[in-house]
Amino acid sequence: NAGVTQTPKFQVLKTGQSMTLQCAQDMNHEYMSWYRQDPGMGLRLIHYSVGAGITDQGEVPNGYNVSRSTTEDFPLRLLSAAPSQTSVYFCATTNHRGPGEQYFGPGTRLTVT
Amino acid sequence: ILNVEQSPQSLHVQEGDSTNFTCSFPSSNFYALHWYRWETAKSPEALFVMTLNGDEKKKGRISATLNTKEGYSYLYIKGSQPEDSATYLCAPHSGNTGKLIFGQGTTLQVKP
Repeated sequence: NAGVTQTPKFQVLKTGQSMTLQCAQDMNHEYMSWYRQDPGMGLRLIHYSVGAGITDQGEVPNGYNVSRSTTEDFPLRLLSAAPSQTSVYFCATTNHRGPGEQYFGPGTRLTVT
Repeated sequence: ILNVEQSPQSLHVQEGDSTNFTCSFPSSNFYALHWYRWETAKSPEALFVMTLNGDEKKKGRISATLNTKEGYSYLYIKGSQPEDSATYLCAPHSGNTGKLIFGQGTTLQVKP
């Protein structure tokens, strides 16, 4: 039982490049979300999903796309990376739509030069 | 978007001191309040999920209270230890979508 996994752990991109951050969970959780962590800003919600085929925007969605074709996977796409997207990205899941605690992945540290 | 305020932003205490932090949030449309503990270079881990006004939860030396009518929660640490050093995040939860909006956190440093 791996829980929540994220790949890669580290990534360096050049401005304008695209990439996908992967998030997978084996806990059969409906709800999945992506956060970014920046110094002094805490965790900010990028996008979230309440189930396969359903996604919605969070606080800071610009520059990011998501899709949810399966319960297990929730990839985050950067179509044209910008230095402002340099951050640590966390994926999180929870077991139902109610007030259940969220389980976080180990994070991906992204640097855009 | 919820406006979540945590205070203080950072705190330095000596080992053995007791301390507390505050989380303020809009009281309207309240559903739940989460507290997370986040150690450097690790992922956030849930401490408490609180739903009822007047709720009080405890885990070892850490406890939390909730006032949904006035929109605040307190987190208390009794007899702080160096291993308590971390950032403590609160996240109110409005509606039942699972969507959380996090505060900026209180960073605690406990000196031996």
